[in-house]
Amino acid sequence: AIQMTQSPSSLSASVGDRVTITCRASQGIRNDLGWYQQKPGKAPKLLIYGASILQSGVPSRFSGSGSGTDFTLTISSLQPEDFATYYCLQDYNYPLTFGQGTKLEIK
Amino acid sequence: QVQLQESGPGLVKPSETLSLTCTVSGGSISSYYWSWVRQPPGKGLEWIGYIYSSSNTNYSPSLKSRVTMSIDTSESQFSLRLSFVTAADTAVYYCARRRRLAASGDAFDIWGQGTMVTVSS
Repeated sequence: AIQMTQSPSSLSASVGDRVTITCRASQGIRNDLGWYQQKPGKAPKLLIYGASILQSGVPSRFSGSGSGTDFTLTISSLQPEDFATYYCLQDYNYPLTFGQGTKLEIK
Repeated sequence: QVQLQESGPGLVKPSETLSLTCTVSGGSISSYYWSWVRQPPGKGLEWIGYIYSSSNTNYSPSLKSRVTMSIDTSESQFSLRLSFVTAADTAVYYCARRRRLAASGDAFDIWGQGTMVTVSS
């Protein structure tokens, strides 16, 4: 199975900050990667698919990049509602595998 | 819009079988990949497997020997059975729809709210 490694595991930031989360795949996955946001007690929400395509309705402050093994999720200017846990997911092959998550907390 | 709703017992005894159903409303169950994803308390997400509307399935190797998924298109429902459960299977179980959103972009675009299942005697 492809292993997905996210970094950092946790991150403290302030409203207005620019934040970057990284996801590394144990082998090349082209651009078959998605990013999901999860708030406590809620289901994950799709933010980005195809590594860089913003899901409809997701604010443009979210962006994704990368291809092959290294990917990033960037939030250009943190808003209060962005404090959550973020997961990457590879859908290059089965079994689908998630990163371990990055918890974004308020500084 | 399409909504998913999980249902099933919230408590299962060790060595027994966990059974959950996901009901699809507001849209068609046909021609999509329907997955189950779980999340142990305080931990990350784990993909369990999928079933296609044609009943084709694919399960995670780590759970394959204990998992069975089925689909009832007439009822717009799909189900998960996980046998011989232990405390390690205690988790929130989500159902989710995966579909192709772009030429090279599959994703889980719709999720159920999740249902907590505790394995305990």
